[in-house]
Amino acid sequence: EAGVAQSPRYKIIEKRQSVAFWCNPISGHATLYWYQQILGQGPKLLIQFQNNGVVDDSQLPKDRFSAERLKGVDSTLKIQPAKLEDSAVYLCASSLGQGPADTQYFGPGTRLTVL
Amino acid sequence: AQSVTQLDSQVPVFEEAPVELRCNYSSSVSVYLFWYVQYPNQGLQLLLKYLSGSTLVKGINGFEAEFNKSQTSFHLRKPSVHISDTAEYFCVYAGNNRKLIWGLGTSLAVNP
Repeated sequence: EAGVAQSPRYKIIEKRQSVAFWCNPISGHATLYWYQQILGQGPKLLIQFQNNGVVDDSQLPKDRFSAERLKGVDSTLKIQPAKLEDSAVYLCASSLGQGPADTQYFGPGTRLTVL
Repeated sequence: AQSVTQLDSQVPVFEEAPVELRCNYSSSVSVYLFWYVQYPNQGLQLLLKYLSGSTLVKGINGFEAEFNKSQTSFHLRKPSVHISDTAEYFCVYAGNNRKLIWGLGTSLAVNP
């Protein structure tokens, strides 16, 4: 079974530029999550999708971050414009169901450096 | 407010020694508790989880954790560690509102 795929693995940009990350979840998983993991901290949930609908985006900085999950499969996360404090690893995860008891399967992450 | 605390940011240990990574959570009527592991340059993966039932939970790679309601703890243990256990370990908690809260992580360094 293929795991969660993410691209790119690494990205370096300058502040005020825009960047996009892509995620393809495990086939058949209805729920998709985007997390931000700053060095030395645990992952912070940015947005949770159930199929192509948003379940939770309470911690997404909506003035600069956007995400979509067209057709309920793969997803993109965009930052525009980027700030220095956006430097982090962006993790995508998927699960079969949407409850907290469901195991989340994580991709390898995208390491973003904003200069 | 609901919270989870990993009491040690770093744990150095020698190979084949036992290890305990400590985790405390804020009290709640019902809880879900998880331990996730992040190996160097790899994605996070689930080690084990407690949803209900037996308080002793066994996970992958010889790890186990015990849910202690009176002490609001969910410590992770392994009787004998290997070099390959070197990784970052995260305790994750969901209380009454069922939102996952991640700890800051414990870095386990296994030395030969």
